[in-house]
Amino acid sequence: NAGVTQTPKFRVLKTGQSMTLLCAQDMNHEYMYWYRQDPGMGLRLIHYSVGEGTTAKGEVPDGYNVSRLKKQNFLLGLESAAPSQTSVYFCASSYGQGASTEAFFGQGTRLTVV
Amino acid sequence: AQSVTQLDSQVPVFEEAPVELRCNYSSSVSVYLFWYVQYPNQGLQLLLKYLSGSTLVKGINGFEAEFNKSQTSFHLRKPSVHISDTAEYFCAVSRSSYKLIFGSGTRLLVRP
Repeated sequence: NAGVTQTPKFRVLKTGQSMTLLCAQDMNHEYMYWYRQDPGMGLRLIHYSVGEGTTAKGEVPDGYNVSRLKKQNFLLGLESAAPSQTSVYFCASSYGQGASTEAFFGQGTRLTVV
Repeated sequence: AQSVTQLDSQVPVFEEAPVELRCNYSSSVSVYLFWYVQYPNQGLQLLLKYLSGSTLVKGINGFEAEFNKSQTSFHLRKPSVHISDTAEYFCAVSRSSYKLIFGSGTRLLVRP
């Protein structure tokens, strides 16, 4: 039972470098999300997708881009990393429609930008 | 706009003691409410959720929460905690959309 898998688990970037975080889910979920977690701030939504080929902005989208070319994958890109993007990133997915459906989370990616 | 407030950033408690983690939300419309738990170095896991009906909701690991519409609260309780309950707990709210709005989290520290 893989659920939601994130790669990589850890990464250190230099300011200005780019990278892509990969999220894969094997539950056939329509909805996928990227959150960032910072101390004392809980989780904040970066971008989300309501289905293959769709993406939308969340609360804190600046500096990030996303793509959902396949239903099972949701990619988060940083084009030019900044120290302010040092954070723990979580991918999540959910099924069905409506607010009552449960979100399943990956293990997280700890990113440090120096 | 919706928001979630978890007033306590950390709650220390002795093993086998009861605990209450507080959560208040603001919304002008009906919402769905959730509690998630995050164990060290892991992702979030759903503890329980309130959708409608009975205001007392029971979840996994002996936790329960009570929805109070008049006080816009959804406090999490456990009558007797274990060392293994040490974790961070997040309250979250969702409205008609599927997006979750999270509180800042409460770190529960259970001491022997």
